[in-house]
Amino acid sequence: AQKVTQAQTEISVVEKEDVTLDCVYETRDTTYYLFWYKQPPSGELVFLIRRNSFDEQNEISGRYSWNFQKSTSSFNFTITASQVVDSAVYFCALSEANYGGSQGNLIFGKGTKLSVKP
Amino acid sequence: DTGVSQDPRHKITKRGQNVTFRCDPISEHNRLYWYRQTLGQGPEFLTYFQNEAQLEKSRLLSDRFSAERPKGSFSTLEIQRTEQGDSAMYLCAGAMGGLYNEQFFGPGTRLTVL
Repeated sequence: AQKVTQAQTEISVVEKEDVTLDCVYETRDTTYYLFWYKQPPSGELVFLIRRNSFDEQNEISGRYSWNFQKSTSSFNFTITASQVVDSAVYFCALSEANYGGSQGNLIFGKGTKLSVKP
Repeated sequence: DTGVSQDPRHKITKRGQNVTFRCDPISEHNRLYWYRQTLGQGPEFLTYFQNEAQLEKSRLLSDRFSAERPKGSFSTLEIQRTEQGDSAMYLCAGAMGGLYNEQFFGPGTRLTVL
């Protein structure tokens, strides 16, 4: 069955520290997509990144980087030199292409609440 | 700004009442999703529209829930005979292009059932 696990419920760091948010997924599908979303205190989910199952290249966008490893079914997210504005709940999500009649709907993890203190 | 708006932002109702929420995506969003998010959880999929056609419904969507997207523009989600367990944030997301492209979420409607 499809599932996304974010084992870290809450993380607290001091500004400028690096922090990694873990995401482990389960799927029977060979074609799937992984996403990260940010939910700041205002509540609106903000899209960060999408990866497909055939592209294991790591990606870097400014202070953000993502490490996708199919061998361990993980899609981890690292924030370098964290800032107070990074404080939010971060969600990892999975979308399967072939199973369950998926029409692109997202299966979310429970999220990791990141607090960055000045 | 994702271009997706939702109304109302907050709704307080008494158990047994009916409520209706509205979602307005941008015109390019031919696909529209509804999700429900309870405290401390990630969003859970409820239903999906491609243009005006409702193509997928989750098992979470009981008979008391109905959704429409007339003319493929705005969408409404109605809950009849609300129960306390319906208290949650209801999120709408619009998307365009490929089926697995990113979804753009609205600010949500927070429902409290007393």
